[in-house]
Amino acid sequence: EAEVAQSPRYKITEKSQAVAFWCDPISGHATLYWYRQILGQGPELLVQFQDESVVDDSQLPKDRFSAERLKGVDSTLKIQPAELGDSAMYLCASQRGSSLNTEAFFGQGTRLTVV
Amino acid sequence: AQSVTQLGSHVSVSEGALVLLRCNYSSSVPPYLFWYVQYPNQGLQLLLKYTSAATLVKGINGFEAEFKKSETSFHLTKPSAHMSDAAEYFCAVTPYNQGGKLIFGQGTELSVKP
Repeated sequence: EAEVAQSPRYKITEKSQAVAFWCDPISGHATLYWYRQILGQGPELLVQFQDESVVDDSQLPKDRFSAERLKGVDSTLKIQPAELGDSAMYLCASQRGSSLNTEAFFGQGTRLTVV
Repeated sequence: AQSVTQLGSHVSVSEGALVLLRCNYSSSVPPYLFWYVQYPNQGLQLLLKYTSAATLVKGINGFEAEFKKSETSFHLTKPSAHMSDAAEYFCAVTPYNQGGKLIFGQGTELSVKP
């Protein structure tokens, strides 16, 4: 069964360091999302891609976060420099289109701890 | 802005008892509504979704939810809890005309006692 792949599963980094997360969506899924889930809260959208284009990055802290999906397939989310408050689960999801008739599938996430 | 509110951050039931997880939405336009389940250190799995067809929606693992416009509610139920249902449950809404973006509630942790 196809699934969204994310790596690494766990990451511990020191504050002020750079960190990157990788997501490989399900083949053929044009829409890709990055969500951040702080412990005890629901996920919040950071960025949405349609193919290689950013559709929504209104909640992405652009002074330290960046996201790319150069060939419209896999994607990387980067934080530089990391801050203590960035400790969270980072979830990637992909969807065949952006229609509500298609389901978004989530990866297992990357658990980031900033020390 | 559209949002969902989940009443109760933690619910505990006995095995075999009714499960009721509450969700209310705020929207002037009937939205698309979802319930997701998350097991520890895992991603989210879709349980069911309401897309303005039938108001009673059946999902996986015996769960169902009823859309009630008059109460702006979309509560999740299961007649008989199983130990494997213990997890975090999230209600979510998709803003009108914003494609697949999901806005999640704070979540409800379900515990099932033997």
